[in-house]
Amino acid sequence: EVQVVQSGTELKKTGATVKIPCKVSGRKLTDYYMHWVRQAPGKGLEWVGLVDPENGETKYAETFQGRVTITADTSIETVYLQLRSLRSDDTAVYYCALEDLTVLRGGWFDPWGQGTLVTVSS
Amino acid sequence: EIVLTQSPGTLSLSPGERVTLSCRASQSVSNNLLAWYQQKPGQAPRLLIYGVSTRATGIPDRFSGSGSGTDFTLNINRLEPEDFAVYYCQQYGRYPRTFGQGTKVEIK
Repeated sequence: EVQVVQSGTELKKTGATVKIPCKVSGRKLTDYYMHWVRQAPGKGLEWVGLVDPENGETKYAETFQGRVTITADTSIETVYLQLRSLRSDDTAVYYCALEDLTVLRGGWFDPWGQGTLVTVSS
Repeated sequence: EIVLTQSPGTLSLSPGERVTLSCRASQSVSNNLLAWYQQKPGQAPRLLIYGVSTRATGIPDRFSGSGSGTDFTLNINRLEPEDFAVYYCQQYGRYPRTFGQGTKVEIK
């Protein structure tokens, strides 16, 4: 059974950079796309972007273009979300979630990591 | 971008009642590539339904999904106490992947 594990919390200053890891176990990372989704306090789900760990190709939501980088290190089955120039409205829980590439007509997100809370303050 | 609009925003119901949640897309969702997720406080979202109507592994059969094109529905027969949560629809046919704003099902 594939599992996705994230670290707990990050506290950052305005203008700083955060790099959040997400580790996969139980199956090869290259069987999946890894997506990132964020959720501000009391708000809904917002797609951030994805990486194809096989070749490093990425897609990002327009909202985050220029500030976000998603990378994968297949040697340690880990994906990273890096967000630069942090603002107070970046305060959110950041989830990683897998899209299984081995299923026909896939694309849904399952499973999800437990989330990393990023708090940005001055 | 495909905008998903869920209604209602909040439902106040009692255990045992039947629930119907709506998700409307701003344009047709290609090949019915639509999923539903359940999220409880302090937890990550959990996949319930994919491909409009296929239940994910371990999801009880009181959950069912239907619809096509731009109008989709999640039904829950006989609400159980553990079903009180927020429900999100998501389209995965196009980028950017988008979610509805969520429907909260709360205890009356």
